[in-house]
Amino acid sequence: EPEVTQTPSHQVTQMGQEVILRCVPISNHLYFYWYRQILGQKVEFLVSFYNNEISEKSEIFDDRFSVERPDGSNFTLKIRSTKLEDSAMYFCASLELAGGPREQYFGPGTRLTVT
Amino acid sequence: AQTVTQSQPEMSVQEAETVTLSCTYDTSESDYYLFWYKQPPSRQMILVIRQEAYKQQNATENRFSVNFQKAAKSFSLKISDSQLGDAAMYFCAYRSYRYNNNDMRFGAGTRLTVKP
Repeated sequence: EPEVTQTPSHQVTQMGQEVILRCVPISNHLYFYWYRQILGQKVEFLVSFYNNEISEKSEIFDDRFSVERPDGSNFTLKIRSTKLEDSAMYFCASLELAGGPREQYFGPGTRLTVT
Repeated sequence: AQTVTQSQPEMSVQEAETVTLSCTYDTSESDYYLFWYKQPPSRQMILVIRQEAYKQQNATENRFSVNFQKAAKSFSLKISDSQLGDAAMYFCAYRSYRYNNNDMRFGAGTRLTVKP
């Protein structure tokens, strides 16, 4: 069964540094998402991406965050000037079509630790 | 904005027994989708069950079923014949029907413990 993959599984970075989290969505999916889960808290929406542009973003997704689909397969989340509070699990998800009841498929997540 | 509330931070069930996890949501939309996701210690998000709001019939997937009460905006998950492998965090989630607003809104989660 097709699956969403994410790399790395764990990323440690120093405060103020830049990180890039990578995702490979399911190949025929058209909508892509990033979510964040701070340890012990709920999963929060960050951004959605369709047709090579951001469709929607939450208040968490400030100007330090950016997303990109540099080629036909990868979907990346870049965080500049990382802060301690960016430490969280980051999930990528993809969706085949916006209409219909199909669920978003989640990747296994990248644990980001900012020290 | 849509909000999802899970009022039970923790629940416990004896193996082979039945447990019900509660979820309520707030929305002004008439068409939407509801989901239950399971998150084991590996933290992978795994879909358990989905419900389309326009369907009156409650969704069922093997030992998992929902009680969907649209008027009350309630969407509870029932796990029958609980197994040790069911132990996990369970998240209730809402997704709009609109194609341009299709991100998932999650509740805070319920941690389910299964006692042998």
